[in-house]
Amino acid sequence: QVQLQESGPGVVKPSETLSLTCTLSGSFISTHYWSWIRQPPGKGLEWIGCFHSSGRTKCNSSLKSRVTTTVDTSKNQFFLRVTSVTAADTAVYYCARGNREDIFDYWGQGILVTVSS
Amino acid sequence: QSVLTQPPSASGTPGQRVTISCSGSSSNIGSHYLYWYQQFPGTAPKLLIYSNNQRPSGVPDRFSGSKSGTSASLAISGLRSEDEADYFCAAWDDSLSGVVFGGGTKLTVL
Repeated sequence: QVQLQESGPGVVKPSETLSLTCTLSGSFISTHYWSWIRQPPGKGLEWIGCFHSSGRTKCNSSLKSRVTTTVDTSKNQFFLRVTSVTAADTAVYYCARGNREDIFDYWGQGILVTVSS
Repeated sequence: QSVLTQPPSASGTPGQRVTISCSGSSSNIGSHYLYWYQQFPGTAPKLLIYSNNQRPSGVPDRFSGSKSGTSASLAISGLRSEDEADYFCAAWDDSLSGVVFGGGTKLTVL
């Protein structure tokens, strides 16, 4: 049973850095593509970026300068950092798995991150 | 403004057949697979259709997908109350070098 679980702070101050962890069970980081997707309250989905353990990484061009994705294969975890956050970064953040970079067949439950002072 | 265009809402009565459209361009739907996701309030999206018209295990055959040129459709036949949800289309976009989503369609079962 593949399961993904996001964790991290629920509130981040404006201009600071948002850091999230996705912990994986039932699958291995060394296979598949791993993605971050977000959804502002009441709005649609926005792809943030993805990576493969081979080192192939892709990121939404509108966020690229502020986003970093890293991985700890020993812990079966991967991470998201978004710098210089503003209220526009308030969203439910999901981590997801795919066997291609364009598909998401397993999702975490999501974590709401609010940017507020 | 989403790259893929969906109607914001759709509705139907139980037993009816409903279709939801998704329109894009040659850089996304026209040259890549189209995916559909179903999302209930407060929950994560779920993969409903992949590779234009394939259903993952466990998805009822009442759900079907099709693609033609730069447009795609999701059809739900034998509509049931539990189908009431938000539906999103998605595809890779060559111009943006990333995945793009439709704005979502809220399906109401009357």
